[in-house]
Amino acid sequence: DAGVIQSPRHEVTEMGQEVTLRCKPISGHNSLFWYRQTMMRGLELLIYFNNNVPIDDSGMPEDRFSAKMPNASFSTLKIQPSEPRDSAVYFCASSSPSRGTEAFFGQGTRLTVV
Amino acid sequence: AQSVTQLGSHVSVSEGALVLLRCNYSSSVPPYLFWYVQYPNQGLQLLLKYTTGATLVKGINGFEAEFKKSETSFHLTKPSAHMSDAAEYFCAVSPSTGGFKTIFGAGTRLFVKA
Repeated sequence: DAGVIQSPRHEVTEMGQEVTLRCKPISGHNSLFWYRQTMMRGLELLIYFNNNVPIDDSGMPEDRFSAKMPNASFSTLKIQPSEPRDSAVYFCASSSPSRGTEAFFGQGTRLTVV
Repeated sequence: AQSVTQLGSHVSVSEGALVLLRCNYSSSVPPYLFWYVQYPNQGLQLLLKYTTGATLVKGINGFEAEFKKSETSFHLTKPSAHMSDAAEYFCAVSPSTGGFKTIFGAGTRLFVKA
C-alpha cells in the first residue's frame, strides 16, 4: 500500500480564497483524522471520522472549516474563506478498525495564506 | 477527558549519551500509549506503542518506553544517542474504551551534539 496520500503537498493562496485539501486513507482503514500543526499550538486534532461518519469535530476552529468523507477512500478539508492565521501544516491520518492500533500519517499539506 | 503532557519542549544530548524524553498522561482508565517521531518536512511515524501486556516496550531505532501506571508515565529512552535521532518526538494517547480519539502531546525536539 502507498500509505496515506495527501494533496497538494504545498498550497499558497490569497486571503479570502477557498482552499480544499485532499486525503486518501490506507485501504481497509475505517478511522480518518485531520490534524493541524503550527509552532504555536503544536498538533491539534480537528476532526475524526469513523466509517465515513464524523464522530468528533470539536477541534474544528470555526465555521470556515468543513470536512467531508463521501466514501471510505477519500476525504476533504475545506477552508472558506481562508485567512492568514490558517497557515499551517495539515495532516491526514488513518487507522484500522482494531482498537489500539496506531494512526498512519500522510506527508502533510503545507498551507500558506497570504 | 484524556490529556498528555511532555516535559521539556527541547532536549539536547551529546552523541552517545542517554536519551530520556518524558511523557505523563491523564485518563480515567489506562489508555493506549504511543510515541511518534517526526523528521523535518515529513509526517509522523510510529516509534512504539503500549496496549496491554509487558509494560516495557521496544520500538524501532533502539528506542524503548515503560508504562508506569502508578506514575501515569510513559517515558521514552534510548541508551546511546545518534546524530540521526535528531527530530521531534510526540507522545500520544488513545482510549482503551469508548471512542478512537488520539490526543498528542506538544512534542519534544531532540538535538544531538557531536
